[in-house]
Amino acid sequence: AQSVAQPEDQVNVAEGNPLTVKCTYSVSGNPYLFWYVQYPNRGLQFLLKYITGDNLVKGSYGFEAEFNKSQTSFHLKKPSALVSDSALYFCAVSDGSSNTGKLIFGQGTTLQVKP
Amino acid sequence: EPEVTQTPSHQVTQMGQEVILRCVPISNHLYFYWYRQILGQKVEFLVSFYNNEISEKSEIFDDQFSVERPDGSNFTLKIRSTKLEDSAMYFCASSVAGDTDTQYFGPGTRLTVL
Repeated sequence: AQSVAQPEDQVNVAEGNPLTVKCTYSVSGNPYLFWYVQYPNRGLQFLLKYITGDNLVKGSYGFEAEFNKSQTSFHLKKPSALVSDSALYFCAVSDGSSNTGKLIFGQGTTLQVKP
Repeated sequence: EPEVTQTPSHQVTQMGQEVILRCVPISNHLYFYWYRQILGQKVEFLVSFYNNEISEKSEIFDDQFSVERPDGSNFTLKIRSTKLEDSAMYFCASSVAGDTDTQYFGPGTRLTVL
C-alpha cells in the first residue's frame, strides 16, 4: 500500500534562512511525488512534482525538492524563506503504473516563517 | 488564471439528510476528483471520474456516495444519507488528460453534519 509521512507537524524558520519540510514515502512501484501548498481559505496549489530524471526538481515560488531513492524521501527546500511562504504544505504520492490520478497525501506540515 | 470553484463554501445539514456538493472544474480539464479532509486528519482520496465513469474509488466511497457530471460544466458529489462522520472539508480537483498527476484543487466545501 502506498503511504506518505510528514514527520513534523510544524516547522519554524526565520525569514531569509533556508527551509526544509520533510517527506518520506512508501510505494510498491515507481513513485510519482508531489508537493502542494494550502493557504488559508484556499484550495491546495500544486508546487512541483517528480516523475523521473533529475533528482532535484524545481517548482513554483523558488521551491525545490530532492528525490532520494535510497532514503525514500522527497524533502521540500527553499534557500531563503519569505514570510509569505507561511502556509500548510502537503507531500503526496501516486502510483506511476496507474492512470487514475489518485493522490495519497501526507498529514501536512505547517510552515511558519517569522520576520 | 482559471480556477476550480466549489459551492457552497459551508453546508450544514442534519444527520440522514441528502447533500449535494457542487464543483465547476477548469473548462478544458477531463479528469475530475473528490477528496476529503476530516478536521486534523490527512487529505483522503474519494473518487476519480473520467469520460462519465468512475475511474477509481476508495473504500470510503461506499453506496452512500455518488458523483455526476450533469452538464458540461458541473461535477457533483452526492451523499445520500449523511452521517456525523461525514463532517469534513470536501475538495474537488481537476486535471487535463495526459497529466492526471497535476491536479488543480478548489477551495473546498466544509460539510457539518449535526
